[in-house]
Amino acid sequence: DARVTQTPRDKVTEMGQEVTMRCQPILGHNTVFWYRQTMMQGLELLAYFRNRAPLDDSGMPKDRFSAEMPDATLATLKIQPSEPRDSAVYFCASGNTVGDNTEAFFGQGTRLTVV
Amino acid sequence: RKEVEQDPGPFNVPEGATVAFNCTYSNSASQSFFWYRQDCRKEPKLLMSVYSSGNEDGRFTAQLNRASQYISLLIRDSKLSDSATYLCVVNKGRALTFGSGTRLQVQP
Repeated sequence: DARVTQTPRDKVTEMGQEVTMRCQPILGHNTVFWYRQTMMQGLELLAYFRNRAPLDDSGMPKDRFSAEMPDATLATLKIQPSEPRDSAVYFCASGNTVGDNTEAFFGQGTRLTVV
Repeated sequence: RKEVEQDPGPFNVPEGATVAFNCTYSNSASQSFFWYRQDCRKEPKLLMSVYSSGNEDGRFTAQLNRASQYISLLIRDSKLSDSATYLCVVNKGRALTFGSGTRLQVQP
């Protein structure tokens, strides 16, 4: 059963440390999303890629967040330096975009706690 | 105004009841629509796409009203296992925009 794989599942780190989250999208999917979920804000789009090219990262704080797709099997989201307000669940999702339609499938998320 | 708005609930219904959720979206250029389901501390899972003509999948029926810019989800014969948060999702040619979700609690 194909699925999106995210690592780590849980991460606790100290303020100021670098955090790297990884995502393996479903093989053959051409679109990858990064979302962040908090109780207050719900699901917010951070960035997304199509055919590995970044299409939109306007949802990310640019000074500390970066997202890349070094190859078709790996997407990364980095936070440097991390802050307590970054505590959230970070989801990666992948899908196949046909025309303007994308059915996205989510990974299990990385639960980040910055203390 | 939020791009996608949903009543947060909770909707508390007895087993076997029929329940309906609505969702409104602000951008008339939106092109595709979905319902996702999210269980507590889990990832969102695609429940169904919403087509212009309406579509049904077992006990679930989704409808789209482009003129009024709303989407609905109807659940018939509710089961305890239907308890979850239901997320309305809209795509206007970029990434998916999620509503904040409607919580459903089905009670025995």
